[in-house]
Amino acid sequence: DTGVSQDPRHKITKRGQNVTFRCDPISEHNRLYWYRQTLGQGPEFLTYFQNEAQLEKSRLLSDRFSAERPKGSFSTLEIQRTEQGDSAMYLCASSLLVGGWGYTFGSGTRLTVV
Amino acid sequence: GENVEQHPSTLSVQEGDSAVIKCTYSDSASNYFPWYKQELGKRPQLIIDIRSNVGEKKDQRIAVTLNKTAKHFSLHITETQPEDSAVYFCAAGAGNQFYFGTGTSLTVIP
Repeated sequence: DTGVSQDPRHKITKRGQNVTFRCDPISEHNRLYWYRQTLGQGPEFLTYFQNEAQLEKSRLLSDRFSAERPKGSFSTLEIQRTEQGDSAMYLCASSLLVGGWGYTFGSGTRLTVV
Repeated sequence: GENVEQHPSTLSVQEGDSAVIKCTYSDSASNYFPWYKQELGKRPQLIIDIRSNVGEKKDQRIAVTLNKTAKHFSLHITETQPEDSAVYFCAAGAGNQFYFGTGTSLTVIP
């Protein structure tokens, strides 16, 4: 296995509910990324962390989205007041700060908002 | 920001033939170009990458070429096999984040 773990694998929620996803990166990787992928599209960047610092956020990351990486290890992505348009695969990836330009993706969390 | 375009969106080839997927990018600051393979319901997996100081890179049946002047790069798969069937994504970036193409669904017909 590639070593990036995401939980849960699937989440079905009612519109308006809050959801939280977890990502455990490869242990020695300093950088952690969140991407969103909808059907038939490539992954779209949401945000990334270098250790515990959130260094960049996409415009796609509305106020309802928040991500944390409190101890520089695992990360959580929370979506508040979910909308049907939030239905997607949420992918986490990690990489090394130096020399590890290629991402290792996790298996993703598929969110369905009904 | 960066804009990555990928063609074709679907590609069917006979087993043993070659497949070529092309991508263009817009931001001259991009200096890293990975390619990912994604099978149905699975995670994207890095199959090959190239940095801007190199024009071509090969790994067994897979090769990538980069033309920085024209801002395009291509994936070449030779001697295709049924297990090469998947969606392939190109990406471009400068290390902090990557912009992905919309994907090419490759079908290798036995």
